[in-house]
Amino acid sequence: GAGVSQTPSNKVTEKGKYVELRCDPISGHTALYWYRQSLGQGPEFLIYFQGTGAADDSGLPNDRFFAVRPEGSVSTLKIQRTERGDSAVYLCASSLNGGPASSYNEQFFGPGTRLTVL
Amino acid sequence: DQQVKQNSPSLSVQEGRISILNCDYTNSMFDYFLWYKKYPAEGPTFLISISSIKDKNEDGRFTVFLNKSAKHLSLHIVPSQPGDSAVYFCAASPSGTGANNLFFGTGTRLTVIP
Repeated sequence: GAGVSQTPSNKVTEKGKYVELRCDPISGHTALYWYRQSLGQGPEFLIYFQGTGAADDSGLPNDRFFAVRPEGSVSTLKIQRTERGDSAVYLCASSLNGGPASSYNEQFFGPGTRLTVL
Repeated sequence: DQQVKQNSPSLSVQEGRISILNCDYTNSMFDYFLWYKKYPAEGPTFLISISSIKDKNEDGRFTVFLNKSAKHLSLHIVPSQPGDSAVYFCAASPSGTGANNLFFGTGTRLTVIP
């Protein structure tokens, strides 16, 4: 079946602009995660949704970052007043259920959106 | 601070030989560990995992070893194949608070030379 998809694959914007990044999780997966991978680093957790609600947003770096998942499926990560330091690959993942990682609760990742802030 | 560390940014191995990728962690609350493989322009894909109650898990050519007292795990690939060339990320998940999050290392780029 279809995996996690993310659009756009690449986004170039200017400093100070607003951007939205979209994630379509695997159908039926209730949990959705956003990660950010900066150059030379591993993915860093941003936010986790269980259904429609953000169950853990402790990884969001500041209040310029916001994410929604209004119908418990597609999610949008929104970044206001973008800064050059926001340039990174933004990864989305989904899993069947929320809760601790396990062999029964694997996180499946999308290909990411590469955001470049000029 | 980096709670999961992969100190070798790159590794080159001859085809057919063993590849050993290492990972260290600092948080004693981590109780589940995973290895992900990443090709360029793709998201990470799950490879193999291990629970803290075990010290070894094997899946075909891939074996993960966990040494809890040393807070160290390793991924062994044998025999290595050119298609194994990718970036490998070690990840860990804690129990309790933050149990839904994965903490990743910085990755090791494996090159298998034909």
